[in-house]
Amino acid sequence: NAGVTQTPKFQVLKTGQSMTLQCAQDMNHEYMSWYRQDPGMGLRLIHYSVGAGITDQGEVPNGYNVSRSTTEDFPLRLLSAAPSQTSVYFCAKPGAYSGNTIYFGEGSWLTVV
Amino acid sequence: LAKTTQPISMDSYEGQEVNITCSHNNIATNDYITWYQQFPSQGPRFIIQGYKTKVTNEVASLFIPADRKSSTLSLPRVSLSDTAVYYCLVGEDNYGQNFVFGPGTRLSVLP
Repeated sequence: NAGVTQTPKFQVLKTGQSMTLQCAQDMNHEYMSWYRQDPGMGLRLIHYSVGAGITDQGEVPNGYNVSRSTTEDFPLRLLSAAPSQTSVYFCAKPGAYSGNTIYFGEGSWLTVV
Repeated sequence: LAKTTQPISMDSYEGQEVNITCSHNNIATNDYITWYQQFPSQGPRFIIQGYKTKVTNEVASLFIPADRKSSTLSLPRVSLSDTAVYYCLVGEDNYGQNFVFGPGTRLSVLP
C-alpha cells in the first residue's frame, strides 16, 4: 500500500447518507491528498492538505469535507451522498525523493444508490 | 495548468519496445514531466520523472527534446504484465497539485 492505508475498501450508500473515508499514512509527511476516479477517466483532485490543521480545495471539492487534526490521518467526509459521487477514491502522499513522486492508496470503491 | 495530449490506446506484443509520446506544448519553465502507470483496480504508480534530455531507471526511459514540448516514455521489452494505463503529467515539483490527469494511454500487450 506504499504506506497509505484506506478504509473501507468497498461501500454502498443510499442517497442522502453521510460517511467518512479513512486514510492514514505511515510517515509524517506534511502533504496528503484525495482524488476521485470515475470509470474510464483520469484522477481528479478533491482536497489536499499541506500539514496538520491546513486543508485546501482541489478541482472537485463540492460535496466533500476534509480535516487534518494529525499528520498521520486525512479523512474525507461525504456530507450527503449523491449518485454522482459514485466513484473510486484514492488517498495519496508524496514519495521520499521528489514532490511529484506520489504514492496512492489501494482505493475505496463507493457506490451511491 | 499545462495540458497534455497522448494516444488513447496502443497495442504491442511481448518482447517489443513500446514508445508512448506525450505532447505538452504550453509547458512552463518550472514544470517537470512525470509518468504514472495504473493497473485495473489499483492506484497509479510512479514510473519516471524528468526535466530535460534523457532519464533512465530500472523500469523505463524518458526522452525529452530540447524544446520540452513533448516527451516519450520508452518501455523496453514489454511483457503481458505491462498492460496498463499510462499517464503523462506536467507540473511543478509540488506534490502533484498541478497535475491534470487525462484519460491516459491504455497499453495492451499481446502474447
